[in-house]
Amino acid sequence: AQSVAQPEDQVNVAEGNPLTVKCTYSVSGNPYLFWYVQYPNRGLQFLLKYITGDNLVKGSYGFEAEFNKSQTSFHLKKPSALVSDSALYFCAVRDKSNAGNMLTFGGGTRLMVKP
Amino acid sequence: SAVISQKPSRDICQRGTSLTIQCQVDSQVTMMFWYRQQPGQSLTLIATANQGSEATYESGFVIDKFPISRPNLTFSTLTVSNMSPEDSSIYLCSVVPREVGTDTQYFGPGTRLTVL
Repeated sequence: AQSVAQPEDQVNVAEGNPLTVKCTYSVSGNPYLFWYVQYPNRGLQFLLKYITGDNLVKGSYGFEAEFNKSQTSFHLKKPSALVSDSALYFCAVRDKSNAGNMLTFGGGTRLMVKP
Repeated sequence: SAVISQKPSRDICQRGTSLTIQCQVDSQVTMMFWYRQQPGQSLTLIATANQGSEATYESGFVIDKFPISRPNLTFSTLTVSNMSPEDSSIYLCSVVPREVGTDTQYFGPGTRLTVL
């Protein structure tokens, strides 16, 4: 079984400050981890993923995420938030052994960046 | 990545009717999926659309309610049958592109369905 938890429904950050959106996961094998962003009235856009290799993954729009195996976490980060980053963020996991490529999504975290 | 379009982008339907949603991709893909996102909720996988055979449904979803077709490698449809207000959701298709080593799902823009 695979599962994802995003413990915060909403994160509030001032523009220019660093932001972190938390994600923890559970899989029986090795994880593939993903972050997606959803802007109002839009579909999901892929931000970044961890498959293997370097624990720090860099993605679109200046976002990065750090894979931490011991803490089973994959937190999304950005050094300096923009108002335009305000959106709904989803973490997703897939067990590497899952040949069906099925993703399990977290509940989502709404990021609010205030000027 | 692939360019994915969905039709319609939104619709308002009456209870008891059916709506067919189309998903078109600009390149061949290995896998196609259909998700539901209920208001204020996360995404739930409905089914994997298999080319030339019956879709694989997740627990809680049945073919009679959500028939799916995938006649080729770039196109799929999802029908929401005998709709009720509880079916009001955003329906999204996603694809895994065919390039070697690509295992990322890319999503269409979604279809926002309101059932009255």
